[in-house]
Amino acid sequence: AQTVTQSQPEMSVQEAETVTLSCTYDTSESNYYLFWYKQPPSRQMILVIRQEAYKQQNATENRFSVNFQKAAKSFSLKISDSQLGDTAMYFCAFMKTSYDKVIFGPGTSLSVIP
Amino acid sequence: EAEVAQSPRYKITEKSQAVAFWCDPISGHATLYWYRQILGQGPELLVQFQDESVVDDSQLPKDRFSAERLKGVDSTLKIQPAELGDSAMYLCASSHYGTSDYEQYFGPGTRLTVT
Repeated sequence: AQTVTQSQPEMSVQEAETVTLSCTYDTSESNYYLFWYKQPPSRQMILVIRQEAYKQQNATENRFSVNFQKAAKSFSLKISDSQLGDTAMYFCAFMKTSYDKVIFGPGTSLSVIP
Repeated sequence: EAEVAQSPRYKITEKSQAVAFWCDPISGHATLYWYRQILGQGPELLVQFQDESVVDDSQLPKDRFSAERLKGVDSTLKIQPAELGDSAMYLCASSHYGTSDYEQYFGPGTRLTVT
């Protein structure tokens, strides 16, 4: 069975600084999908960034980028130029096939400090 | 922009009572998911539909939970009887099966409190 681990329950970062959230996962699959979801307080879950395992190039979406290390089964999220609106729970997630369930990690609570 | 709709947003019920949640996915999305998110944890799948058929309900407590999607569009999740441990956020998500867009779009959720 696939599992997703996030070892940082809480993190904080100064506004405009850079922060990296860690994630490791366990799977025996060779092709799969990885995601970072953001859940702001009392607001709905939204997708931040996605990575297909067959792609070697790390995904980037504006201020958000990932460091995907397939052999190490590591998938970290870097947020550059942190903004107050980045304050949220961040979930690392795994999906085996494109229409399978998403398996979420326990989450990292990120606070951006003015 | 199209969104997944859920109602009610909040529900307080006493244990042993019945409760139901409704979800309307994005139009045209054939795949619908119900997740349960306990406070401080990540969501976990309860049931997945493809059109009106159940694809995965392996984690659904079938003695008290039921889910249906009769016409392959909106869906209802029911709990009867509710227990204190059912207090959680119930999230609905949908995705567009058969396209390159495999993203799951989440609704705002229903926060259930069982007293």
